[in-house]
Amino acid sequence: DQQVKQNSPSLSVQEGRISILNCDYTNSMFDYFLWYKKYPAEGPTFLISISSIKDKNEDGRFTVFLNKSAKHLSLHIVPSQPGDSAVYFCAARDDSQGGSEKLVFGKGMKLTVNP
Amino acid sequence: DTAVSQTPKYLVTQMGNDKSIKCEQNLGHDTMYWYKQDSKKFLKIMFSYNNKELIINETVPNRFSPKSPDKAHLNLHINSLELGDSAVYFCASSPPGYNEQFFGPGTRLTVL
Repeated sequence: DQQVKQNSPSLSVQEGRISILNCDYTNSMFDYFLWYKKYPAEGPTFLISISSIKDKNEDGRFTVFLNKSAKHLSLHIVPSQPGDSAVYFCAARDDSQGGSEKLVFGKGMKLTVNP
Repeated sequence: DTAVSQTPKYLVTQMGNDKSIKCEQNLGHDTMYWYKQDSKKFLKIMFSYNNKELIINETVPNRFSPKSPDKAHLNLHINSLELGDSAVYFCASSPPGYNEQFFGPGTRLTVL
């Protein structure tokens, strides 16, 4: 039972264009969302996050949008750079157990930015 | 100045063996985690410890036993290894009050 879904396994974009990575979730108890970036043979690294009380958070080239009613979030990268090529994981915090910082991850999406 | 480190990076072993994976963080974080990334690429939490106390145990088989000698270390011991245990295991840590978790480089376990 996937509570966090990244339905597109891969995305390929040209350098300088926008990359849009999508994520859907099913659990209305999720109150905080994160994007992680992962290079091969390395651990995931935190990229950007958003609280459920906001609908947008921006950090440089990276912007995350949250649509709570649709249970959907997206990560926009603009302009995309070849160094952005990696696997991106969407994650959500499950607060249903109260106080434990449990993250639920999607299965990731591979982004390739072509020079 | 590695933040979260794991050893070994690769581990190949026979079915039925017992093995351990070590994790250390030098970030001063209170909470540490173990995640498993299986062949389908899902990253799923296994355990979480806060100041050496177990706070999350996600119905992991008893063959998996985490041990936290101090808050900077969280080791994972696996008994009677099975083929299905083959995966990449990630350790992570987080400071109190923060949702972001910092991951180690992973340990690729292959059970033959």
